[in-house]
Amino acid sequence: DIQMTQSPSSLSASVGDGVTITCRASQTVSNFLNWYQLKPGKTPNLLIYSASTLQSGVPSRFSGSGSGTDFTLTISSLQPEDFATYYCQQSYSTPITFGQGTKLEIK
Amino acid sequence: QVTLKESGPVLVKPTETLTLTCSVSGFSLNNDKMGVTWIRQPPGKALEWLAHIFSNDEKSYSTSLKSRLSISKDTSKSRVVLTMTNMDPVDTATYYCATSSKYTITTFTWFDPWGQGTLVTVSS
Repeated sequence: DIQMTQSPSSLSASVGDGVTITCRASQTVSNFLNWYQLKPGKTPNLLIYSASTLQSGVPSRFSGSGSGTDFTLTISSLQPEDFATYYCQQSYSTPITFGQGTKLEIK
Repeated sequence: QVTLKESGPVLVKPTETLTLTCSVSGFSLNNDKMGVTWIRQPPGKALEWLAHIFSNDEKSYSTSLKSRLSISKDTSKSRVVLTMTNMDPVDTATYYCATSSKYTITTFTWFDPWGQGTLVTVSS
């Protein structure tokens, strides 16, 4: 199984800050890497697919980069609605695997 | 518009079998390359992929749960069913279904959209 490791596991930041979350795969996943945002009681929201493509309707302050084994999700200027948990997920091979999540909290 | 909705029991007892149904609309389960995936999230824990099924009846399962899972589809009713045997309190989680597609035999797309999820509690 491909292991996905996110860092940090939690992060405190203020509105207006920029933050970066990293995701590392235990073997190459090419660009088959996706990012999701989860909020309590809400349906998971796809943010970025294929490592760097912004899903329709997602604000442009979100961006993704990377290929192979190392990836990043960047939020350029945090808004109050961005405080949530973020997950990376590889779709390169089965079994599909997720990172352990990064909880973004308000400082 | 593609939508999915999960249904099933809210509470199951340890050792029982869980049966969950994902009802889909806006696409056909015969649609080439499209599939339905089951994912769960225990309270306070990470997302975990469970299984998927595609239009050609191709199935794949989580390595750790493979012996307990079975996925099937009823194309005429636009439903995908997941069964999990020998339920344990650690299986308490919100269970989601979601759609994805296949790029190649071994590569897949992202999950979008997702259903709203259904919370299943395992307790005696």
